Amino acid sequence: SQQGEEDPQALSIQEGENATMNCSYKTSINNLQWYRQNSGRGLVHLILIRSNEREKHSGRLRVTLDTSKKSSSLLITASRAADTASYFCNMGTSYGKLTFGQGTILTVHP
Amino acid sequence: GAVVSQHPSRVICKSGTSVKIECRSLDFQATTMFWYRQFPKQSLMLMATSNEGSKATYEQGVEKDKFLINHASLTLSTLTVTSAHPEDSSFYICSAYSGGANVLTFGAGSRLTVL
Repeated sequence: SQQGEEDPQALSIQEGENATMNCSYKTSINNLQWYRQNSGRGLVHLILIRSNEREKHSGRLRVTLDTSKKSSSLLITASRAADTASYFCNMGTSYGKLTFGQGTILTVHP
Repeated sequence: GAVVSQHPSRVICKSGTSVKIECRSLDFQATTMFWYRQFPKQSLMLMATSNEGSKATYEQGVEKDKFLINHASLTLSTLTVTSAHPEDSSFYICSAYSGGANVLTFGAGSRLTVL
């Protein structure tokens, strides 16, 4: 299974600002998923975007996908201190096996 | 939504003892479960893939005799760290896959400290 490469490695913003993180991958995909990991916890699935979709929204999350550039972005609007976490992107497989990159560490200061 | 329960959340043991970590899918049947290991400030490292009723498939560099995985039912997989040593201290996370949209559901993790 391929893993995504998240960028930037770390992002520090103030509460209320928007946070944008990017993901790049190498081979064609069926879907792309974003996960969040709070410190010392397991991962939580945030959103899935299929390869035939270009944009998807879920609450304060907006995900875009550009298959021609093999990249995706995750935008968190009006960030909150509770959004402080590591964020990972991943490409779905037919059997669930996922490997993870380093992720983006987001810190939202109150 | 799908829930995966992982137990214990924290465990401290003496060097040389064995520790068992359980991973249960509470409201769905998991055809496959995965075990990850995470060191501080690092990403998750996939250790093994566990399929119900068959032997686990281990990733390269993971000692199968050290990390025993059993997937006896469609809702339970266990990871046993045998003869634990301080270098085995880590955060262990399981995830369960039920097919469909390829979304994984993760447990909350188990922090193992070996003294």
